[in-house]
Amino acid sequence: RKEVEQDPGPFNVPEGATVAFNCTYSNSASQSFFWYRQDCRKEPKLLMSVYSSGNEDGRFTAQLNRASQYISLLIRDSKLSDSATYLCVVSPNTGNQFYFGTGTSLTVIP
Amino acid sequence: GAGVSQTPSNKVTEKGKYVELRCDPISGHTALYWYRQSLGQGPEFLIYFQGTGAADDSGLPNDRFFAVRPEGSVSTLKIQRTERGDSAMYLCASSVTDRDANTGELFFGEGSRLTVL
Repeated sequence: RKEVEQDPGPFNVPEGATVAFNCTYSNSASQSFFWYRQDCRKEPKLLMSVYSSGNEDGRFTAQLNRASQYISLLIRDSKLSDSATYLCVVSPNTGNQFYFGTGTSLTVIP
Repeated sequence: GAGVSQTPSNKVTEKGKYVELRCDPISGHTALYWYRQSLGQGPEFLIYFQGTGAADDSGLPNDRFFAVRPEGSVSTLKIQRTERGDSAMYLCASSVTDRDANTGELFFGEGSRLTVL
């Protein structure tokens, strides 16, 4: 069983739309959660951490549901520049490993 | 530059050959990671170093893969008897090791694209 599972999409949405991605993780003892963004043919970069209480950064909102072991990312007022692959990342409570999901592809259409 | 540097950026080799991929992490980052990414997939964990030692090598697919970090800085991923299935982007990342200071931000290099013919 994979550590992290995501719907690969693709998600094609018009500019201005709100889009949400979910991700599930298998290790209930996982402690840290993140969303990374990867542009085509580029390296992944940290988008935001996910805190238990939920957190927001501009148009982006991340939430964690420990009971159901899933993480979500909400993007409001989508921009063309949001087109990318969004990777869910989980770090367990031991060591310093980071496990990546397959990624969800988003294309924002004019 | 101040970022993670990986060389070569592209490597084409023939099946059965030996390959070395190099990673120079951000200065002062003691944690170093190797990932492999195939088209349409997320980065797959291979190995993680804390200083000079491999803290977790559970992601290495088989004994043809080996990585070293002899002085706790530059790391080399070594692949013996390459197979076509080894073709992928090999990504290296580094991070601050102290758990309290670790924001979860892995700094990735641009990767080494390996093609085995």
